Amino acid sequence: AQKITQTQPGMFVQEKEAVTLDCTYDTSDPSYGLFWYKQPSSGEMIFLIYQGSYDQQNATEGRYSLNFQKARKSANLVISASQLGDSAMYFCAMRENAGGTSYGKLTFGQGTILTVHP
Amino acid sequence: DTGVSQDPRHKITKRGQNVTFRCDPISEHNRLYWYRQTLGQGPEFLTYFQNEAQLEKSRLLSDRFSAERPKGSFSTLEIQRTEQGDSAMYLCASSSTGFDPIYFGEGSWLTVV
Repeated sequence: AQKITQTQPGMFVQEKEAVTLDCTYDTSDPSYGLFWYKQPSSGEMIFLIYQGSYDQQNATEGRYSLNFQKARKSANLVISASQLGDSAMYFCAMRENAGGTSYGKLTFGQGTILTVHP
Repeated sequence: DTGVSQDPRHKITKRGQNVTFRCDPISEHNRLYWYRQTLGQGPEFLTYFQNEAQLEKSRLLSDRFSAERPKGSFSTLEIQRTEQGDSAMYLCASSSTGFDPIYFGEGSWLTVV
């Protein structure tokens, strides 16, 4: 079974509007972390935001916020006031800490290509 | 800026040749990861180092692949007898602990012709 599912292969948004990128996950581990990364065409994976499974509040970082719904196992990324430079591939990833043997490695989804129109 | 750096950024090699990639993690990060990413896919975990110890290797890491981190600082990933299926981007990442964010480098693109 897929551990991380991103159901939107591509998304389009108008500049200055908000956009939500979906991510659902599957784990039986009570302690896990969820990450979002941005990958522009240059290839670099840029860390955007992190949410721990025990965090009480949704994470925010500037224009990025993570809509964490634990019961639904979803961790959607919300980008407010989209900019042309936001056009990129976006990956959701999960880190499980199962018995400490995961060593913090990440499992990634398939990604969503975001295109921001002027 | 002392982020994760990788070298070379691009490598084109003939099938059967050996290639080596280098990764310099963020200073004082004792955890180092290698991932492989093919076009249209998310990165896949290859191997993990804590300091100089290689603690986990994925099944994706065949016998032709070897990774080292001799002094717990930089790491190298060598692919021997390259095959066309090895064409991918190889990403290095580092973190301070198992609970901190994992930061990636810009990746090393490998094309095997």
